[in-house]
Amino acid sequence: DAGVTQSPTHLIKTRGQQVTLRCSPKSGHDTVSWYQQALGQGPQFIFQYYEEEERQRGNFPDRFSGHQFPNYSSELNVNALLLGDSALYLCASSLVGGYSTNEKLFFGSGTQLSVL
Amino acid sequence: AQTVTQSQPEMSVQEAETVTLSCTYDTSESDYYLFWYKQPPSRQMILVIRQEAYKQQNATENRFSVNFQKAAKSFSLKISDSQLGDAAMYFCAYRSARGGSEKLVFGKGTKLTVNP
Repeated sequence: DAGVTQSPTHLIKTRGQQVTLRCSPKSGHDTVSWYQQALGQGPQFIFQYYEEEERQRGNFPDRFSGHQFPNYSSELNVNALLLGDSALYLCASSLVGGYSTNEKLFFGSGTQLSVL
Repeated sequence: AQTVTQSQPEMSVQEAETVTLSCTYDTSESDYYLFWYKQPPSRQMILVIRQEAYKQQNATENRFSVNFQKAAKSFSLKISDSQLGDAAMYFCAYRSARGGSEKLVFGKGTKLTVNP
């Protein structure tokens, strides 16, 4: 079982550009969440996708958007990049309702985005 | 909105000794989950231990245990018989038990160093 895989591992972009990050959930999981972790901070929830729809969203501007595909994989898109978007982007997968059954949330190793 | 505070940016412990990491949180909800996650240099967030707020008994996982004080909104992590592999960033996290809400709210983390 490959667990949660994210690509790419590192990315360098310029202000104003657009970026797409990808995530494949753990086998058997149907829900994907995205988190932003700035340097020296804890992760912050961006949004969650289930059944190809955004289920819950954190306090992030509309420049952050996402998508979930029928195979449950997901993309995070960020438009008009700002220097402040430089961070580690973590993807996590779970089974919807899984917390009620002690199902764990599994994280990937993240994509390190640097905006110059 | 819920908040999680970790007041110790850094902690150190001698190998085989015991260390306690502190966490406080603020919420108006009565039912929720609390977690401790470990983030090694590989960047992947790994679940260490989980506590359901409705359970009075403190959770234990091998060398890891928590002291959950619901009235004080305190949730500390005790690591016994510390090992070199325990060195990492540790994050305390909160999740509402309200249906449809699966986002985690993280603290800023505590960097744990284990000295041989």
